[in-house]
Amino acid sequence: DSGVTQTPKHLITATGQRVTLRCSPRSGDLSVYWYQQSLDQGLQFLIQYYNGEERAKGNILERFSAQQFPDLHSELNLSSLELGDSALYFCASSPLWGPSTDTQYFGPGTRLTVL
Amino acid sequence: AQKITQTQPGMFVQEKEAVTLDCTYDTSDQSYGLFWYKQPSSGEMIFLIYQGSYDEQNATEGRYSLNFQKARKSANLVISASQLGDSAMYFCAMRASFNNAGNMLTFGGGTRLMVKP
Repeated sequence: DSGVTQTPKHLITATGQRVTLRCSPRSGDLSVYWYQQSLDQGLQFLIQYYNGEERAKGNILERFSAQQFPDLHSELNLSSLELGDSALYFCASSPLWGPSTDTQYFGPGTRLTVL
Repeated sequence: AQKITQTQPGMFVQEKEAVTLDCTYDTSDQSYGLFWYKQPSSGEMIFLIYQGSYDEQNATEGRYSLNFQKARKSANLVISASQLGDSAMYFCAMRASFNNAGNMLTFGGGTRLMVKP
């Protein structure tokens, strides 16, 4: 158990819908990262927050947004869902936001299926 | 831009034998970190081992060791005394040094390891 929690574990929805994925980082970690794992794209970084502020953006679609709250939990919002958004979405956390030594610990993931 | 290459899509190893999973990387950064993660069939990503670009010794964590060859830009994972529970996908990842452009991990395509009894 990494200490990172994600809810829900599974999510099945229809095209055009909106969903929210939730992540609680390890105790004491200030950085939260979101990654998407799909069969065709592999593991891709979406976005990073540090202590409530956005720090880095990757291949995140405009239909997707995220935020980190004062209690440091984070939510990833996916809207106007398409079939291609079906994937495993991971949240990871780390204590800091910069050093290359900073290990990211992953949550169990949310498996999103868009029908 | 950073790139991680794992050239072995799948590998078999006999139980109790050692196995090496290959990883090569490309970066122009001088300071970076290399990581290996394990993803069992249940889906979670488990951190295994870390190697810093300035570390002079190869990292070891129990049965895992990292064969780091900086000049060749390779960071191979060695698993000694393979166990059935080692059957999983293994991902090599790199993190650039502190910069404002991003601190994300860049992942390779993964290697599926299957341990035979």
